[in-house]
Formats: sequence, C-alpha cells, structure tokens
Amino acid sequence: GAVVSQHPSWVICKSGTSVKIECRSLDFQATTMFWYRQFPKQSLMLMATSNEGSKATYEQGVEKDKFLINHASLTLSTLTVTSAHPEDSSFYICSAHPAGLYNEQFFGPGTRLTVL
Amino acid sequence: AQSVTQPDIHITVSEGASLELRCNYSYGATPYLFWYVQSPGQGLQLLLKYFSGDTLVQGIKGFEAEFKRSQSSFNLRKPSVHWSDAAEYFCAVGATDSWGKLQFGAGTQVVVTP
Repeated sequence: GAVVSQHPSWVICKSGTSVKIECRSLDFQATTMFWYRQFPKQSLMLMATSNEGSKATYEQGVEKDKFLINHASLTLSTLTVTSAHPEDSSFYICSAHPAGLYNEQFFGPGTRLTVL
Repeated sequence: AQSVTQPDIHITVSEGASLELRCNYSYGATPYLFWYVQSPGQGLQLLLKYFSGDTLVQGIKGFEAEFKRSQSSFNLRKPSVHWSDAAEYFCAVGATDSWGKLQFGAGTQVVVTP
C-alpha cells in the first residue's frame, strides 16, 4: 500500500512550452502533497505545499506563476511548469501525506524534465 | 530554520562490512528526523524516523540510527551491508510545527564493492 505515482516519468520539451506533471496517490487519500525539486547530485528542495481544495503555499524564492500547482482532488496534484526554460530542467518529486496519518508522507518516483 | 549536513558525499564499502552514514542537524528544539534511501527509478523510501522516546531507532532493511542531542547528530548504521544497499541516502529534518516540510541533507552515495 501507500503508493504514489508520477506521470510522466520523463519529459523533453522545447523552451517556451508548458509541461504538466501529475502526482497521484494510488491507494490512499492525500490531504496534503508536497513538491520537491532535485538538481543532479544535489539534495531535494521543497518547492511548495499543496492542500486539497486550496491554493498551494510556495517556499521562498519559488515563482508561483511559473510553477502552477493544482490539488483538485484527494488523490491528484499537478505541477505545471509554464514557459519552461533550460534552467527549469530538473528532477521533480512529489510526496503525499495520507489523510488521518500523522507524520508520514510517501514519495513518488520523480519526473525528469529536460528543456531544450 | 532547520538545516541538515551530511558530511560524506560518497562512501565505498565492501559487502559484508559495516556502514555508518553521518548526519548533523541544526534546529532550535527537538526535530523530527528521517533517513530515506533513493534508488534509480524509485521513489524515496523511508528507512526510519525519530520523533521522541528511545534514541536508538530501528528501521527497515536492518538499518538503525541513534539520535544524540548533545552532538546534534542522527547517524545511520548497518552492521553488514548487502550489494542491494548501494543507493543514495538522505537525512532529513522536519520542524515539529510543520513536520511535513522536510529539509534534506545533500545525500550520501553508497557504493558496495564485492
């Protein structure tokens, strides 16, 4: 149980286009989902906290107009990278916090984004 | 704000040997501490966590970690490593008032040699 999926697992796009990444909790409901960004050989950096039915909370330095987050249901959150540029190339990872379960979150396998 | 330091970027260990990964944290109170393992193509998997109580924490896959408040450390150990333990290991800290917002260390890449 407690599986989190991400789609796509990898994507290549042209500069200036937008890319949507989905994060799904497959066998549980997630009241909260987190989005992280990981650069090669570096750690995960929290980008934003996404609560179902409300606006996401972004960490300092993260452009909310560039990284649009939608948490429309208890099993799905999406991250849209708008007008992507090569510097947005990275590994994006989501995690999901099960409803009613304290201090636990489960991570997705990540999405590799390459912007040409 | 909390922070995490993993001093060792890369560790090579022989199969069957013991392994210790270091983690130091900075936080004003007792934090929530986690160790995760990341394998290629897989999501981060929780090895163990510490919230309170017994400072020696047992996790999955034979791992354990000890919380030492005086040293602000939460080192991960395994008595005998297996080839399948080769992976990236991350220490993370969460504040007690916003535990879900984790601060990760830079990670330690573990290579296991025959």
